[in-house]
Amino acid sequence: TQLLEQSPQFLSIQEGENLTVYCNSSSVFSSLQWYRQEPGEGPVLLVTVVTGGEVKKLKRLTFQFGDARKDSSLHITAAQPGDTGLYLCAGTAYSGGGADGLTFGKGTHLIIQP
Amino acid sequence: EAQVTQNPRYLITVTGKKLTVTCSQNMNHEYMSWYRQDPGLGLRQIYYSMNVEVTDKGDVPEGYKVSRKEKRNFPLILESPSPNQTSLYFCASSLLGGLGNYGYTFGSGTRLTVV
Repeated sequence: TQLLEQSPQFLSIQEGENLTVYCNSSSVFSSLQWYRQEPGEGPVLLVTVVTGGEVKKLKRLTFQFGDARKDSSLHITAAQPGDTGLYLCAGTAYSGGGADGLTFGKGTHLIIQP
Repeated sequence: EAQVTQNPRYLITVTGKKLTVTCSQNMNHEYMSWYRQDPGLGLRQIYYSMNVEVTDKGDVPEGYKVSRKEKRNFPLILESPSPNQTSLYFCASSLLGGLGNYGYTFGSGTRLTVV
């Protein structure tokens, strides 16, 4: 199983601030996905990035896939209390044709204080 | 509404008493998977299935069984539950699993406590 390291583990900031969370690995991934999970619920897919260097925007959220396809970042502009949650990155590594599913990072717990 | 349905949402049981957690999806997805989520350990894959009658072990399969007799259903079976299987369990489905970069749709989770 390929390892995905997320940082920071915990982040608490004030409403209106900007933030970036990171997802890093020593493995090359064919794609990376970001999910958001609220307490008591399952993760919900936010975005999939598939091309090295790709940048995708979802309103105030900007996702980037590293050129070497080993890392990704999530940047939130002007954070709002509704952004509070656990953010998970997940990747599908190159494995010689195998399809054993996603490897998940441990997540970043984000709290946006009003 | 496209969804993955797990039952039950909450379950408290005793050590050794067999139980089944059901999972059903209505999206005609080929791929289904079970994860457990524990504090500090994140989401870890238990078993997955690429299609009917095709299942394989994930990272933490010990103490669990699965079956995929129909495309829509993927039950998780604990033949003899132990306290270390106390966890939050999620079922997920995807059009093609790890291929094609399709996202996963997760159920709402089953919180299992084994005493």
